[in-house]
Amino acid sequence: QVQLQQSGPGLVKPSQTLSLTCAISGDSVSSNSATWNWIRQSPSRGLEWLGRTYYRSKWYNGYAVSVKSRITINPDTSKNQFSLQLNSVTPEDTAVYYCARGPGTLNYWGQGTLVTVSS
Amino acid sequence: QSVLTQPPSASGTPGQRVTISCSGSSSNIGRDNVNWYQQLPETAPKLLIYSNNQRPSGVPDRFSGSKSGTSASLAISGLQSEDEADYYCSAWDGSLNGWVFGGGTKLTVL
Repeated sequence: QVQLQQSGPGLVKPSQTLSLTCAISGDSVSSNSATWNWIRQSPSRGLEWLGRTYYRSKWYNGYAVSVKSRITINPDTSKNQFSLQLNSVTPEDTAVYYCARGPGTLNYWGQGTLVTVSS
Repeated sequence: QSVLTQPPSASGTPGQRVTISCSGSSSNIGRDNVNWYQQLPETAPKLLIYSNNQRPSGVPDRFSGSKSGTSASLAISGLQSEDEADYYCSAWDGSLNGWVFGGGTKLTVL
């Protein structure tokens, strides 16, 4: 059974960097058949896919256009986890952030982390 | 605002059958499979239907999905109080190169 455990701060100041980690158990971040995604949810924007990382003989990333200039998703094979970094945050980035496993479907999700952007 | 369009609300009485629609375009539903997620309050979305009409293990057969062209629908028969939740459709968008979601439908069991 795949489990995803999220960690990271719940409060970030405007203009700073939001950083979250998703630890994987029951699968490998280096799996040749999985993708590792970040999604966020807010009342104003609904569910919004942010991006993914995946391994197919080499590492690939894909990001949503809305955040492409500010986002980095990195795998950490030594700890079997992947991370989200979102730079230059504003109050508009306040949301519940989820990690999830794909592809084809997002069939396993982390527990969610409420991140508030406020001074 | 969401790429996929769902009605914001739906309702039914226990035992009734309800359907929730999801409308997209040729770059998402028209070219790829549709998935449905159920979200209970304060929890992460849970996969309910995948590949248009497939149920993951453990999902009751009261839940069914269908797709036609650029639209899809979720049907819930024999409605139960525990079905009260938010429901989201989703598909991969080949133009945006990412997952897109509907705005969600809040189902109320009267």
